[in-house]
Amino acid sequence: KQEVTQIPAALSVPEGENLVLNCSFTDSAIYNLQWFRQDPGKGLTSLLLIQSSQREQTSGRLNASLDKSSGRSTLYIAASQPGDSATYLCAVRGSSGSARQLTFGSGTQLTVLP
Amino acid sequence: DAGITQSPRHKVTETGTPVTLRCHQTENHRYMYWYRQDPGHGLRLIHYSYGVKDTDKGEVSDGYSVSRSKTEDFLLTLESATSSQTSVYFCAISGDVNYGYTFGSGTRLTVV
Repeated sequence: KQEVTQIPAALSVPEGENLVLNCSFTDSAIYNLQWFRQDPGKGLTSLLLIQSSQREQTSGRLNASLDKSSGRSTLYIAASQPGDSATYLCAVRGSSGSARQLTFGSGTQLTVLP
Repeated sequence: DAGITQSPRHKVTETGTPVTLRCHQTENHRYMYWYRQDPGHGLRLIHYSYGVKDTDKGEVSDGYSVSRSKTEDFLLTLESATSSQTSVYFCAISGDVNYGYTFGSGTRLTVV
């Protein structure tokens, strides 16, 4: 059974810092990995999608990397802003049998202080 | 996201009553999913569909049923609501396996 772990569970940084969120997964048989953002009381917004054949994806100040063989992904946020405060979720889509659905990590709650 | 809508957005119901939540998509995507999100448990898959009339169970399917009679609609039914089903329910859609998921805005269900 696929398990996804996110470290740290919570993170508080001053505005302007660069930061890294970590995600690890136990089964490397995946189609892709997706990073989401969730604001309190809201739905999930997709940030980046990385296919299993890719090493990284970039969108604005966000950069996500994927090392499938080691079961790890990182989300790098450059020059953090208070508006980046949210919970960040990592999810992997397995490529075998019943694992063909997204399995989520428990999230990292990010607070960027003005 | 404009391509997926959930209704209702909020609902309060009494224990033992049936409840149906609706997910509607305009993207013509093959896959549709129902998740619930609870503090301490994160997002858990309830049921999913891989085509019209093709559905399967997720990890927390007990007490729930689903139906998909059209590509665009995926219904989640609680046959007899219990307090443990108080949660936020999210619908998601996806194209083929190389697509990402798009989530709806959620339905907050309270069973009293």
